Amino acid sequence: ETGVTQSPTHLIKTRGQQVTLRCSSQSGHNTVSWYQQALGQGPQFIFQYYREEENGRGNFPPRFSGLQFPNYSSELNVNALELDDSALYLCASSLGGDVANQPQHFGDGTRLSIL
Amino acid sequence: DAKTTQPTSMDCAEGRAANLPCNHSTISGNEYVYWYRQIHSQGPQYIIHGLKNNETNEMASLIITEDRKSSTLILPHATLRDTAVYYCIVRMNYGGSQGNLIFGKGTKLSVKP
Repeated sequence: ETGVTQSPTHLIKTRGQQVTLRCSSQSGHNTVSWYQQALGQGPQFIFQYYREEENGRGNFPPRFSGLQFPNYSSELNVNALELDDSALYLCASSLGGDVANQPQHFGDGTRLSIL
Repeated sequence: DAKTTQPTSMDCAEGRAANLPCNHSTISGNEYVYWYRQIHSQGPQYIIHGLKNNETNEMASLIITEDRKSSTLILPHATLRDTAVYYCIVRMNYGGSQGNLIFGKGTKLSVKP
């Protein structure tokens, strides 16, 4: 079974630019969650998508947005990049819906650096 | 904020059992205890989870106290590759949607030869 894959692995952008990060969920999973992990901190929840709809959001501004596609892959878009957006961005997939209590499985993340 | 308390760091000798404690005194009846670990430069790896019974899988054992206010993750024979940050997380069991994970700072486990 294929695990969660994220692309690109590393990315460098400048302030004010926009970025799109991509995630392919694990086979059979229909729910994708995105997390931001600053250096030395635990991951922080950004938002979750279930069956192509946003299904919960953490304390992040609207310039963080996302999409989920019919094949359950997902994108995280960040507009107007700020220096504090430099972080590891993690995607996790799980089986949601009526199948309760399923663990989330993470990819290895995209390291985003803002200059 | 994270609903768990863990020691900042722990050491363990290679080949010995590693016992990682976690306090979750405000846990509610429908919340599970989850454990993840994160090896440097990788994403968090799911280890195990439980509600009130002790659980065991190929990676570890999870011991939850009867009052559910604390738990211990046990790695029976620690190896150098078990060096990582270990996160204890309390998570709501959602039926129609999946609750997000609230990470604290975790315990940095160092396995030494």
